[in-house]
Amino acid sequence: DIQVTQSPSSLSASVGDRVTITCRASQSISTYLNWYQQKPGKAPKLLISAASRLQSGVPSRFSGSGSGTVFTLAISSLQPEDSANYYCQESSTNAWTFGQGTKVEI
Amino acid sequence: QEQLVESGGGVVQPGRSLKLSCAASGFSFSKYAMHWVRQAPGKGLEWVAVISFDGNNKYYSESAKGRFTISRDNSQDTLFLQVNTLREEDTAVYFCARDREDFGGRWFDPWGQGTLVTVSS
Repeated sequence: DIQVTQSPSSLSASVGDRVTITCRASQSISTYLNWYQQKPGKAPKLLISAASRLQSGVPSRFSGSGSGTVFTLAISSLQPEDSANYYCQESSTNAWTFGQGTKVEI
Repeated sequence: QEQLVESGGGVVQPGRSLKLSCAASGFSFSKYAMHWVRQAPGKGLEWVAVISFDGNNKYYSESAKGRFTISRDNSQDTLFLQVNTLREEDTAVYFCARDREDFGGRWFDPWGQGTLVTVSS
């Protein structure tokens, strides 16, 4: 199976800061990488599909980049409502492995 | 709107069985593959199983093979997950999610709100 390593496991930043989260796949997955946001007690919400496609309704301060084995989720200007857990997910195989998650605190 | 609603969770003794359901509405259920994903308390997301749109193909995570069975009833727009011989480590919130795919990507959207399964004596 493809291993997915997400970092950092947690971060603390201030309103207005730019933050980045990285996912590394153990082998090339092209652009088969998604990003989800999950708030406590809620279901995950799709933010970005296929590495860089921002979902409808998701604020433009979120962006995704990368291909192959290294991917990044960036939040350009952190807002209070962005406090959440973020997960990457590879979708190139029938294993759909999630990263370990990143807790973003503000 | 497109919606998924899980049910069937609860407190179950180790060794017993449980069948979870996921009712879909607002979209053509029979056209999409469907997934189960679980999340143990305070832990990350773990993919469990997927079933093709017609029910003919199923894949499981290594941890789900042998005790979990995914199925669907397209006439009732409902997805199921049968879990046998429950263990304490199966304690988790179980989410269902719709598979979406196009050129260059495959993702889960939407997700249900989840149903909590607690395995405890």
